[in-house]
Amino acid sequence: DIVMTQSPDSLAVSLGERATITCKSSQNLLNTLNKKNSLAWYQQKPGQPPKLLIHWASTRESGVPDRFSGSGSGTDFTLTINSLQAEDVAVYFCQQYYTTPLYTFGQGTKLHIK
Amino acid sequence: QGQLVQSGTEVKKPGSSVKVSCKTSGDTFKSYPFNWVRQAPGQGLEWLGGINPLFGTRHFAQAFQGRLTITADESTTTVYMELSSLRFDDTAVYYCARVRGFGCFDRWGQGTQVTVSS
Repeated sequence: DIVMTQSPDSLAVSLGERATITCKSSQNLLNTLNKKNSLAWYQQKPGQPPKLLIHWASTRESGVPDRFSGSGSGTDFTLTINSLQAEDVAVYFCQQYYTTPLYTFGQGTKLHIK
Repeated sequence: QGQLVQSGTEVKKPGSSVKVSCKTSGDTFKSYPFNWVRQAPGQGLEWLGGINPLFGTRHFAQAFQGRLTITADESTTTVYMELSSLRFDDTAVYYCARVRGFGCFDRWGQGTQVTVSS
């Protein structure tokens, strides 16, 4: 099984500053068919289901603010939130779908305001 | 459009089974696979398994093989998850989710709380 490891587990960032979350995969997630990385990012606010933010490691979902960006390739990926807003307080998860239809999630990173 | 509506809270005894439903939009029922993910209190997301209603194929996480059943009813466009031999550590919120493309979960149900208690 592919293991997804996020860091840090918890992160405190001041409003207006940048938040950076990393996700490391135990295997290469590069899809050789389309040359894209099979990695998604989700945001989960308290009492709500997760929300898809980014897929193919760097493609934002429609309606997701452009302060959210994803990068990385192979086994190392990053979610960056520029100019942190109060509504960005949430838990963020990465997920690999390289082994579709079997999937694994990272353990989550809790983001709060400093 | 694409909304998933799950059944309500369940309280079960250890050793029993629970069945959770996920009502899909009729027009998407055979267009996407539907998967189940759970979240124990204060914990992360754990993928359980999924079904593709178009082909009738199912896939399960190794940890739930033999204990998890996933079905789909075309007449009601509803997907079901049944977990048997319940243990205390099966206490969690269970989500159904639609899978788009190669494997992103782009629509989620509201979640169903399952509590295993004696």
